[in-house]
Amino acid sequence: AIQLTQSPSSLSASVGDRVTITCRASQGITSALAWYQQKPGKAPNLLIYDASSLQSGVPSRFSGSGSGTDFTLTISSLQPEDFATYFCQHFDSYPFTFGPGTKVDIK
Amino acid sequence: QVQLVESGGGVVQPGRSLRLSCAASGFIFSYYSMHWVRQAPGKGLEWVAVTSNDGTNKHYADSVKGRLTVSRDNSKNTLYLQMNSLRGDDTAVYYCARDSWVATTLGYMDVWGKGTTVIVSS
Repeated sequence: AIQLTQSPSSLSASVGDRVTITCRASQGITSALAWYQQKPGKAPNLLIYDASSLQSGVPSRFSGSGSGTDFTLTISSLQPEDFATYFCQHFDSYPFTFGPGTKVDIK
Repeated sequence: QVQLVESGGGVVQPGRSLRLSCAASGFIFSYYSMHWVRQAPGKGLEWVAVTSNDGTNKHYADSVKGRLTVSRDNSKNTLYLQMNSLRGDDTAVYYCARDSWVATTLGYMDVWGKGTTVIVSS
């Protein structure tokens, strides 16, 4: 199975900061990567698919990039509602897997 | 509105069985592949299984293969997860989620239920 790692595992940031989260796959997955946001006690919410496509209704401050094995999620200007945990997920081949998550909290 | 509602969770002894259900509404259920994803307490997300829109193709995580079975009844707009030989590490919130496109499995999920909790404990 393809393994995903994320870095950092957690970070502290302030409102207005630019935040970048990295996801690395154990083998090439072309652009078959999605990003989700999850708040405590809630279901995940799809942000990005196909590595860089913004899901409908998601603010444009979220963006994704990368292909092959290395991917990034960027929040251009962190807002109060963005404090959450972010997961990457590959869908290149079965079984699908998620990364371990990156928790973004308030500095 | 588009909605997924899971049910059937609870406390179950190790080795026993449980069946989860996911009722779909607000969209044409039979058009979409459907996934189960779980989250152990304080842990990350784990993809569990997917079924194609017609139920003919199914795939599983290695950790559940042979014990958990996904199925669907398109006449009832309902997805199921039959869980047999339950173990402590099956303790989790179980989410059902809709695949993002019709008639094929793309692999990412655009609609999620609120989840149902399964606790495996003696």
